[in-house]
Amino acid sequence: QKEVEQDPGPLSVPEGAIVSLNCTYSNSAFQYFMWYRQYSRKGPELLMYTYSSGNKEDGRFTAQVDKSSKYISLFIRDSQPSDSATYLCAMSASWGYSSASKIIFGSGTRLSIRP
Amino acid sequence: DAEITQSPRHKITETGRQVTLACHQTWNHNNMFWYRQDLGHGLRLIHYSYGVQDTNKGEVSDGYSVSRSNTEDLPLTLESAASSQTSVYFCASREDTGELFFGEGSRLTVL
Repeated sequence: QKEVEQDPGPLSVPEGAIVSLNCTYSNSAFQYFMWYRQYSRKGPELLMYTYSSGNKEDGRFTAQVDKSSKYISLFIRDSQPSDSATYLCAMSASWGYSSASKIIFGSGTRLSIRP
Repeated sequence: DAEITQSPRHKITETGRQVTLACHQTWNHNNMFWYRQDLGHGLRLIHYSYGVQDTNKGEVSDGYSVSRSNTEDLPLTLESAASSQTSVYFCASREDTGELFFGEGSRLTVL
């Protein structure tokens, strides 16, 4: 069983819809949760990161963490065609020096927003 | 602007050949990483370095090597390329804390 599971999609929704992307994990030591966005033929870029449980909002994006269920979500409101990309969740137990080598990535969900 | 660049962006090679993928960053980050990305597996760590002369093995290091002779560069070498190493390779860097910055990737095909 993988430490981080993510539905690969593809997920196709009409413009303006609310999108929900999700990951589950098995390691209860994970404290830092990240979402990366990756456009086609580009490198991933950090979209949001949260610490421990709760919600974090940034414009049209909301990241949600439920540590009791080992479940994280990314919501996109008023989705735009420019949001079409692959979204990777990632998580780690720490954030400081030497932590980047211990980041575990999900396999990514491919999202397409139809105009 | 500071950046991280990878070369070549695309390469086709034959089984058994040695291949080197270059990674150069201008942020002066101490920490540099190489990942491979394959369908269904996400990003998997190959090798990483916390500074000059420091190198460490990641999750999928067999058949790969790196060297760190300066802060800016971390070349990835495939000693004897195998078809299983056909993949997209990403280099990344970061400060001691904070986000990872990724390059645009190198697509390698081993025939």
